[in-house]
Amino acid sequence: ETGVTQSPTHLIKTRGQQVTLRCSSQSGHNTVSWYQQALGQGPQFIFQYYREEENGRGNFPPRFSGLQFPNYSSELNVNALELDDSALYLCASSLFGGSDTQYFGPGTRLTVL
Amino acid sequence: QKEVEQDPGPLSVPEGAIVSLNCTYSNSAFQYFMWYRQYSRKGPELLMYTYSSGNKEDGRFTAQVDKSSKYISLFIRDSQPSDSATYLCAMSGNSGGSNYKLTFGKGTLLTVNP
Repeated sequence: ETGVTQSPTHLIKTRGQQVTLRCSSQSGHNTVSWYQQALGQGPQFIFQYYREEENGRGNFPPRFSGLQFPNYSSELNVNALELDDSALYLCASSLFGGSDTQYFGPGTRLTVL
Repeated sequence: QKEVEQDPGPLSVPEGAIVSLNCTYSNSAFQYFMWYRQYSRKGPELLMYTYSSGNKEDGRFTAQVDKSSKYISLFIRDSQPSDSATYLCAMSGNSGGSNYKLTFGKGTLLTVNP
């Protein structure tokens, strides 16, 4: 069984730039959720994708967008980066309609200068 | 008031101690309760998963949920230095057939000293 993988591991961008983060879900899972974890805080829900469509969204502005592909992998895109976007971005996969237990990847650490 | 409250600690205990970690919550729609362990600069790892009220035991770990008090706990028996990590409580409620959103506490930083 393959776990959740994310790329890249680390990323440094400057304010105003755009970034794309990638996630491959655990084998057998069809749902991907994205979370933002600021230093010293718990993860905050950004959105979830199921069947290539957004299935729920947290309190994040539209410059945070995502995609899910037919193989269930996913991308998180952030436009017009702000300093406060610096955080660990976590992807979690789950099986829709099952226990919905979410399993997390190692995360991508984004630093915005 | 935040939906989920968790004392961030830090909590420092000697090896072999019993550790008690707690969260309170305000949203009565929460039905699913989880504890995750997160090592420094890593992703959260699922430790315990509980549905509704009751106790669940897995090795040295016991999770308790009291929905009437909106209070959940994680107990670690015979704590080891390898248990040193941040412990996050998380919960979700049923929404359209899928519990799409996990709401996390802030996390408690635990150090177990040899």
